[in-house]
Amino acid sequence: KQEVTQIPAALSVPEGENLVLNCSFTDSAIYNLQWFRQDPGKGLTSLLLIQSSQREQTSGRLNASLDKSSGRSTLYIAASQPGDSATYLCAVIPGNTPLVFGKGTRLSVIA
Amino acid sequence: DTAVSQTPKYLVTQMGNDKSIKCEQNLGHDTMYWYKQDSKKFLKIMFSYNNKELIINETVPNRFSPKSPDKAHLNLHINSLELGDSAVYFCASSRGLAGGIEQFFGPGTRLTVL
Repeated sequence: KQEVTQIPAALSVPEGENLVLNCSFTDSAIYNLQWFRQDPGKGLTSLLLIQSSQREQTSGRLNASLDKSSGRSTLYIAASQPGDSATYLCAVIPGNTPLVFGKGTRLSVIA
Repeated sequence: DTAVSQTPKYLVTQMGNDKSIKCEQNLGHDTMYWYKQDSKKFLKIMFSYNNKELIINETVPNRFSPKSPDKAHLNLHINSLELGDSAVYFCASSRGLAGGIEQFFGPGTRLTVL
């Protein structure tokens, strides 16, 4: 059974810092991995989708990497801003089944 | 706006009542999902529909009955509500079921059972 773990559970950084969020999954047989952002009381916004054949994806200040063999992904946020404060969720698709989510990392960027 | 929408956004009700949550997507997708986010913020799949047919039912009590009148809608009806049903329910959609397909989420419905 696929399990997704995100470390740390919470992170607080000063504005301007670069930071890395970690995601690990137990079964490397995945089709893709998706990073989401969830703001308090709001829905999920898809940030990046990495196909299993890819190693990384970039969007603006965000860069996500995927190492299927080791069951790991990282989300790198450059030059963090207070507006980046949110919960970041990692999810994998283990075949023709819906997403399996981690519990998220709650990020606070202090101005 | 092209999106996944849900109504209502908030739902407060008493134990034992029956309630429905509606979901609509105008993205032209043929697969829709219901996820539940519990008090610990853990998101888990409940149901998946493809072309109006139930594909996945993840050990959800049969008090929960999804209904898909067409490919653009997936409603969730809950009978005899219990305290433990309090959660945020998210609808999502995707184009197809195959792996590698990006899913798009609605804003969520916060259900509180008193």
